[in-house]
Amino acid sequence: KAGVTQTPRYLIKTRGQQVTLSCSPISGHRSVSWYQQTPGQGLQFLFEYFSETQRNKGNFPGRFSGRQFSNSRSEMNVSTLELGDSALYLCASSLEGRSPLHFGNGTRLTVT
Amino acid sequence: GQQLNQSPQSMFIQEGEDVSMNCTSSSIFNTWLWYKQDPGEGPVLLIALYKAGELTSNGRLTAQFGITRKDSFLNISASIPSDVGIYFCAGQPPQGASKLTFGTGTRLQVTL
Repeated sequence: KAGVTQTPRYLIKTRGQQVTLSCSPISGHRSVSWYQQTPGQGLQFLFEYFSETQRNKGNFPGRFSGRQFSNSRSEMNVSTLELGDSALYLCASSLEGRSPLHFGNGTRLTVT
Repeated sequence: GQQLNQSPQSMFIQEGEDVSMNCTSSSIFNTWLWYKQDPGEGPVLLIALYKAGELTSNGRLTAQFGITRKDSFLNISASIPSDVGIYFCAGQPPQGASKLTFGTGTRLQVTL
């Protein structure tokens, strides 16, 4: 069974640009969550989508948004990039409810 | 954002030694999870704990869900070089099941 797939693995963007990251969950998983990982703040929850609807949201500004498609694939968008947005962005999927999250290998975003 | 208190922050041990790390929170969690992250990869689920007092093993790994539901610990017995990595605990709240709160991480290095 294929794991969570994230593309691209690496991205370099300039301040002010916007970026879209993609995530394909494990087959059959309907919940997709996004996390930001930085050395200073660790792993922080961004948002969760379930059946194409945002179900939970973390404490990030509105520049961070996402969506989920009918096949459960998800995208995350960050607009007006700032230097502080440089991080590893991780996607995780789960069946639903209390089932554990399974993570992808992330997209490393560098903002210059 | 909030992070759970995880200790120790890092440890150097010799191959064959046992390792213990713990995680504490000011909040109650319904589920405790333990992940391991290798460089350049996403966190990999090691053990999931669903009930206060539960003790669960996965090979050389043993984890327990604290009775107060505010702490958990992970033991690794007879460590080997491939145990090197960063170990994270994560608490899953009663609501917002995908909104995990992660610990600050324990970096484990094993010497021969």
